[in-house]
Amino acid sequence: DTGVSQNPRHKITKRGQNVTFRCDPISEHNRLYWYRQTLGQGPEFLTYFQNEAQLEKSRLLSDRFSAERPKGSFSTLEIQRTEQGDSAMYLCASSLDGLSNQPQHFGDGTRLSIL
Amino acid sequence: GQQLNQSPQSMFIQEGEDVSMNCTSSSIFNTWLWYKQDPGEGPVLLIALYKAGELTSNGRLTAQFGITRKDSFLNISASIPSDVGIYFCAGGDPGSSNTGKLIFGQGTTLQVKP
Repeated sequence: DTGVSQNPRHKITKRGQNVTFRCDPISEHNRLYWYRQTLGQGPEFLTYFQNEAQLEKSRLLSDRFSAERPKGSFSTLEIQRTEQGDSAMYLCASSLDGLSNQPQHFGDGTRLSIL
Repeated sequence: GQQLNQSPQSMFIQEGEDVSMNCTSSSIFNTWLWYKQDPGEGPVLLIALYKAGELTSNGRLTAQFGITRKDSFLNISASIPSDVGIYFCAGGDPGSSNTGKLIFGQGTTLQVKP
């Protein structure tokens, strides 16, 4: 197993277009997290899944954002009608379970640029 | 909302020097983690702390979970050029939650002069 995998690594799109990112967590990790990171800042929590259930969403996750994890394995994050403010690095992380002694491991992110 | 104050914001040191950075919060966290991030990559876990007062080492890195659960520090001894990068602290499970959600500091940028 090679860790958390995210695709694509880079996405450039015009404002108003829809984009979708994919995250493949470490196998057997049942928790999956999405974060957003803007330049010069630390990552900010967006949402997380316990298996296929989406259990918490940040208020940063507007109605244009939707995340799914249909079979409790990979996850997708879709942004509809992209805006310039959506430009950021979108990071995915996974952990083995919800106990506090299981740290999150991050993928290398998808960098989104809105023209 | 919850915030972590990480300091210093940046450091420029000579190779071989020791480095210390810290993170404080007005909120209690149940876990503290330290990550390092290189340009264009995701954060890589360095040290995870799970108990108040815990002191943990990973090679030249040492980190402590503050006794009040509101702070943590990271020390790097005998710095080398590959230590260059951005170091983030993250508090996990604020209050009594069990979501695993992490709150990150703003990062400390470390530059090492050979």
